[in-house]
Amino acid sequence: DIQMTQSPSSLSASVGDRVTITCQASQDISNYLNWYQQKPGKAPKLLIYDSSDLETGVPSRFSGSGSGTDFTFTITSLQPEDIATYYCQQYDDLPYTFGQGTKLEIK
Amino acid sequence: QVQLQESGPGLVKSSETLSLTCSVSGGSISSYCWSWIRQPPGKGLEWIGYLYHSGSTNYNPSLKSRVTISVDMSKNQFSLKLSSVTAADTAVYYCARQAVLMSGGIMGWFDPWGQGTPVTVSS
Repeated sequence: DIQMTQSPSSLSASVGDRVTITCQASQDISNYLNWYQQKPGKAPKLLIYDSSDLETGVPSRFSGSGSGTDFTFTITSLQPEDIATYYCQQYDDLPYTFGQGTKLEIK
Repeated sequence: QVQLQESGPGLVKSSETLSLTCSVSGGSISSYCWSWIRQPPGKGLEWIGYLYHSGSTNYNPSLKSRVTISVDMSKNQFSLKLSSVTAADTAVYYCARQAVLMSGGIMGWFDPWGQGTPVTVSS
């Protein structure tokens, strides 16, 4: 299985801050990488697919980049409603696998 | 827009079979791929398997010997059966959709998701 490693596991930031989360794959996955947002008690929500494509309706402050084994997820100006856990997920090979998640909190 | 809703027993006894159903509304179950994903309490996400609208399936090797995903086109539903459950199978179970290209290729992201249904395995 392809292992996905996210860092940090948790992050505390202030409203308006730029926030960056990284995701590293155990092997080359090209750009087959997605990002999800999960709020407490809710299902995950797709934010970004194919490493950098923004899902329709998702605010432009969210962005993603990377290819190969190293990927980055960025929130350019953190908003209170962005408090959630964020997951990366690869689909280069089955089984699909997720990172362990990054819990984002407001400072 | 399409909506997914999981249903099934919230409590299953150890060694028995977990059975869940995902009802799809607002769209047809055909022409898409449908997945089950689970999340143990306080932990991350694990893909269980998918069912292609044609009826073909693909399962996570870690669960393959115990998993069956099937479809009921007449009811616009698909189902998950997980046999010989243990406490390690306690989780919130989600169903989710994957788009399929005209060429038949399956897109690798999950959207939308159901709200999830918690299942506890008791001894």
